[in-house]
Amino acid sequence: QVQLQESGPGLVKPSETLSLTCVVSGGSVSSSNYYWSWIRQPPGKGLEWIGYFYYNAGTNYKPSLKNRVTISVDTSKNQFSLKLTSVTAADTAVYYCARDQDGGVQVYWGQGILVTVSS
Amino acid sequence: DIQMTQSPSTLSVSIGDRVTITCRASQSIGMWLAWYQQKPGKAPNLLIYKASTLQSGVPSRFSGSASGTEFTLTISGLQPDDFATYYCQQYNRYPWTFGQGTKVEVK
Repeated sequence: QVQLQESGPGLVKPSETLSLTCVVSGGSVSSSNYYWSWIRQPPGKGLEWIGYFYYNAGTNYKPSLKNRVTISVDTSKNQFSLKLTSVTAADTAVYYCARDQDGGVQVYWGQGILVTVSS
Repeated sequence: DIQMTQSPSTLSVSIGDRVTITCRASQSIGMWLAWYQQKPGKAPNLLIYKASTLQSGVPSRFSGSASGTEFTLTISGLQPDDFATYYCQQYNRYPWTFGQGTKVEVK
């Protein structure tokens, strides 16, 4: 059974960089058949896909976030990471890491981590 | 981006009711649509993919259908565990996008 666990600071100051890590167990981030994604959910609102990493094919980001987002992978630690620069209060959300099946359907999710942007 | 519009936003229902939630895509997405259930404080849980394929382990009272760009999630005989918020998601084209959610609450 694939399990994902997010970690990182719960509070980030405006204009700084949000950095989160997702540790994967029960599966390998170097598997070439899966999309490893970050998805976020502002408090009381809906879900927003941020981007994914696909081994041997690279990354893909939501265009409106593309200039601020980087998703990277560390195969030695079996984890992948999210960096979001120049954050504002609008970036306050629960951030989920997830893995797909069937080319985009998110079947495995982390428990989520609330990141608040505030001074 | 492909816009996914769910209706209604809130549904007040009783145990045993038949529940129907609709999701409309702003352009053709084929059958590349998934439905998720989310409970407060939890990650979403996949119910249906490819518009009508039931995910393993999901009760058979959940079903999905499609007609053009309109997709429907049906719960046949609502159970207490089904009170939650439901989201659709298209994965036909990037960026993958979600509907705004439908909250199923106690009448």
